[in-house]
Amino acid sequence: AQSVSQHNHHVILSEAASLELGCNYSYGGTVNLFWYVQYPGQHLQLLLKYFSGDPLVKGIKGFEAEFIKSKFSFNLRKPSVQWSDTAEYFCAVNAGGATNKLIFGTGTLLAVQP
Amino acid sequence: DTGVSQNPRHKITKRGQNVTFRCDPISEHNRLYWYRQTLGQGPEFLTYFQNEAQLEKSRLLSDRFSAERPKGSFSTLEIQRTEQGDSAMYLCASSSPGGLTYFGAGTRLSVL
Repeated sequence: AQSVSQHNHHVILSEAASLELGCNYSYGGTVNLFWYVQYPGQHLQLLLKYFSGDPLVKGIKGFEAEFIKSKFSFNLRKPSVQWSDTAEYFCAVNAGGATNKLIFGTGTLLAVQP
Repeated sequence: DTGVSQNPRHKITKRGQNVTFRCDPISEHNRLYWYRQTLGQGPEFLTYFQNEAQLEKSRLLSDRFSAERPKGSFSTLEIQRTEQGDSAMYLCASSSPGGLTYFGAGTRLSVL
């Protein structure tokens, strides 16, 4: 069965620090990969996605993620975080098929201190 | 707002009562999903509709849960004889074929 692991459950950073959140998935076939963000009191929003092509994808708000197929990883990065990046971040995989359902990791709660 | 809409936003109920949630997807999306999210976990897939047909149900969806999408537009999720373990955020999402999945704000259920 497909699964997604996010190893960092809580991350606390100061503003301007660099961010990297880990995401590993287990699935041997072709996958689509996503990072979603949930700001306090808001709904899940898509941050970025990887379907194919360039393994380094750029998303909104300066976020990027790199797909490394050999490591089954899709880590999220941002060179300099802001207080407004405080949120919960979820990695998700979609192995296609008829339903297109998403399998989520457990999430990483990021707190950025001003 | 033309996003995914869910009602109510919050529901408090007593154990044993029935509850029903509604989801209005993005109008041109024919795919609709229900997920459940508990504290400290990511969303977990419950069920999937393509138009009015319910095509997949997770084993998480016990017999007390039923979902419908009668006209291929809005959907309802009913939980009968609620239990404290049903307390969670219930998320609805929609997409078009091959398109991105958009989530609603969710309905937070508290079973006392």
